[in-house]
Amino acid sequence: GAVVSQHPSRVICKSGTSVKIECRSLDFQATTMFWYRQFPKQSLMLMATSNEGSKATYEQGVEKDKFLINHASLTLSTLTVTSAHPEDSSFYICSAREEDYNEQFFGPGTRLTVL
Amino acid sequence: GQNIDQPTEMTATEGAIVQINCTYQTSGFNGLFWYQQHAGEAPTFLSYNVLDGLEEKGRFSSFLSRSKGYSYLLLKELQMKDSASYLCAVLDSNYQLIWGAGTKLIIKP
Repeated sequence: GAVVSQHPSRVICKSGTSVKIECRSLDFQATTMFWYRQFPKQSLMLMATSNEGSKATYEQGVEKDKFLINHASLTLSTLTVTSAHPEDSSFYICSAREEDYNEQFFGPGTRLTVL
Repeated sequence: GQNIDQPTEMTATEGAIVQINCTYQTSGFNGLFWYQQHAGEAPTFLSYNVLDGLEEKGRFSSFLSRSKGYSYLLLKELQMKDSASYLCAVLDSNYQLIWGAGTKLIIKP
């Protein structure tokens, strides 16, 4: 099956700093990538959808200036959490979808802890 | 609005069979997915149904009835490693995945 990697798997940062998370599709071209956030014991919450070469579409309530998404190539999307605060601590998961296919392949997730 | 319902938690015994139900009301339908998620890990794909009927894949089977807005995931010969959350998700008319809250399955020896 298709493989999606995410880096880093775990990050701890100080409040006010920015953190960049990378999501890569390793063996297919991901025309669409999705960024999710998941708080403990809750379901996945879609933050934004990004298509290669265009601006991301953010879900209602997600600040686009705080969560910067770049999908510069068909195999890489990045999520930057700017000026992170403790309430941003969460499990961030990306997924990728190939054009004309419905299935989303998930990365292993990044656990962010903001002190 | 769009809604996906599944039980919050279920308990079953090792070696037994368990059925996890999912009902949905969405704007359009382009398929239903089941994912397994172990604590602290990302979801992994289990099944995809777009036509009515039963899809069998080893110990796991998934059923879909589009007219009833209903699906279930059937797990046979339960093993301790099957303890996880099971997420039902529907692809709507915009090809957006709508997620259920997940069913936490607890397997007891």
